[in-house]
Amino acid sequence: DQQVKQNSPSLSVQEGRISILNCDYTNSMFDYFLWYKKYPAEGPTFLISISSIKDKNEDGRFTVFLNKSAKHLSLHIVPSQPGDSAVYFCAAPGSGNTGKLIFGQGTTLQVKP
Amino acid sequence: NAGVTQTPKFQVLKTGQSMTLQCAQDMNHNSMYWYRQDPGMGLRLIYYSASEGTTDKGEVPNGYNVSRLNKREFSLRLESAAPSQTSVYFCASSEALLGSYNEQFFGPGTRLTVL
Repeated sequence: DQQVKQNSPSLSVQEGRISILNCDYTNSMFDYFLWYKKYPAEGPTFLISISSIKDKNEDGRFTVFLNKSAKHLSLHIVPSQPGDSAVYFCAAPGSGNTGKLIFGQGTTLQVKP
Repeated sequence: NAGVTQTPKFQVLKTGQSMTLQCAQDMNHNSMYWYRQDPGMGLRLIYYSASEGTTDKGEVPNGYNVSRLNKREFSLRLESAAPSQTSVYFCASSEALLGSYNEQFFGPGTRLTVL
């Protein structure tokens, strides 16, 4: 049972345009979400998070939107840059106070110059 | 400040061989995790250690064992490697404080091939 799903394996956008990466979840008890970015041959790095009490969080070119009724969140990158080309994972907390995270399958973003 | 370090970076094993992947963190984090990443599968949790002295199974623990040697170090052992264990392995750590976002910090990964 995949609790966090990223249904688009890949996305290609032109430099300067908006990139929208989507994530769906099934557990309405999740109280925060995180996005990670991963370059080839490197470990994932934290990008941005959002609490379930908010519907938007912005950090520079990156904005995450949360729609609790639809159990859906999205990451917007505006404007997209070639250096944003990477795999993006959304994640939600696992059970218990252990710091566990449940990750989606990831979306590979390619930003073309 | 090195963060999370993993050794080795690459390893090739033959079926049935054993090996231990090493992980260390210098952020004084309570919790540590081992993941594997496979194409189209995202990051799947193998084992985790919520605190020094405790370990628990994650989503895909079969074929693996772990040791939380001390607060800094968390190792992953493959006793008898199988081709299905060919993957990229990531170690991570977090403070795991109640009520916090529990951001995890990842190591650079170990690329393991089992022939």
